[in-house]
Amino acid sequence: DIQMTQSPSSLSASVGDRVTITCRASQSISSYLNWYQQKPGKAPKLLISDASSLQSGVPSRFSGSGSGADSTLTISSLQPEDFATYYCQQSYSTPYTFGQGTKLEIK
Amino acid sequence: QVQLQESGPGLVKPSETLSLTCTVSGGSVSSGTYYWSWIRQPPGKGLEWIGYIYYSGSTNYNPSLKSRVTISVDTSKNQFSLKLSSVTAADTAVYYCARSYIVATINVWGKGTTVTVSS
Repeated sequence: DIQMTQSPSSLSASVGDRVTITCRASQSISSYLNWYQQKPGKAPKLLISDASSLQSGVPSRFSGSGSGADSTLTISSLQPEDFATYYCQQSYSTPYTFGQGTKLEIK
Repeated sequence: QVQLQESGPGLVKPSETLSLTCTVSGGSVSSGTYYWSWIRQPPGKGLEWIGYIYYSGSTNYNPSLKSRVTISVDTSKNQFSLKLSSVTAADTAVYYCARSYIVATINVWGKGTTVTVSS
């Protein structure tokens, strides 16, 4: 199985901050990397697919980059509604594993 | 707009079989564009991909669960289902049904249903 490791596991930030979350795969996954946002008690929401493709309706302050084994999710200017847990997922090979999550909290 | 809704028992006894159904509305499980998936999330933990089924009936399961999992589709009812046998407390989780494209990119999720394994 491909292991996905996110860093940091938790992060405190303020509204307006620029935030970056990193996801590292245990092997190269090309650009087969998705990012999801999950709020408490809710299902995850797809933000970015294929490492950098912003889903329709997702604010442009979210962006993704990377290829190979390393990817990043950047939020350019945090908004109150962005405080949530973020997961990366590789869609390169089965089983399609997720990272452990990064909990983004208000400072 | 497609919507997914999980249904099934919220409490299952150890060693029994967990059975959940996902009803699809606003779209068709017979669409050749999508894969129909199950994902779970134990309390306070991360996400685990269980497997998917394609409208043709072909399936792909997580090897860690493969011996216990069956995913099936009922095109006449526009539903797909999950069966997980020989459950233990470790199978306690929120179970999500979902629609994915390009096999594993999940762009539509159900709201999730909590299943507790306890006697």
